Amino acid sequence: DQQVKQNSPSLSVQEGRISILNCDYTNSMFDYFLWYKKYPAEGPTFLISISSIKDKNEDGRFTVFLNKSAKHLSLHIVPSQPGDSAVYFCAARRGVNDMRFGAGTRLTVKP
Amino acid sequence: DTEVTQTPKHLVMGMTNKKSLKCEQHMGHRAMYWYKQKAKKPPELMFVYSYEKLSINESVPSRFSPECPNSSLLNLHLHALQPEDSALYLCASSHEGSDGYTFGSGTRLTVV
Repeated sequence: DQQVKQNSPSLSVQEGRISILNCDYTNSMFDYFLWYKKYPAEGPTFLISISSIKDKNEDGRFTVFLNKSAKHLSLHIVPSQPGDSAVYFCAARRGVNDMRFGAGTRLTVKP
Repeated sequence: DTEVTQTPKHLVMGMTNKKSLKCEQHMGHRAMYWYKQKAKKPPELMFVYSYEKLSINESVPSRFSPECPNSSLLNLHLHALQPEDSALYLCASSHEGSDGYTFGSGTRLTVV
């Protein structure tokens, strides 16, 4: 039972344009949402998060949007850079230590 | 030190072997985690330790046995594994309820 879903396994965008990565979840008990970035042969690294009481959080080029009624969140990267090419995992947390991941979206930013 | 170190990076073991995966952090994190990730699948939560006590066990088969000997170390003991247990095993740590976990690079396990 996959509680966090990323339906796009891959996304390709041109350098300088916007990248939009999407994520859906099914469990309404999740109260905190996170995005992780993973390069090959490395573990995931934390990128940005949002609490369920907010609908937007921004950090530099990265913005996460949360639509609780639709159980949907998205990560916007503007402008996209070639160094952003990686696998992006959406994650949702319930309580303090119970975090579940989506399957990931491979982003390729072309120069 | 801001890293989670996992050893070994690669492990090939037979179905009758006993082996252990090790995870170490010196960031003072009191929560530590084991995740299992198969190709093109999300990391799946296996175990959570909070203050050296097992707080979450996601119905993992008993052939996987976690151990947290102290606040800096987390082990995963493996015995009589099956080929379908081949996967990337990720360790992570965090402060309780913090924004993000710090992950290690993982151990790539192959069961033959």
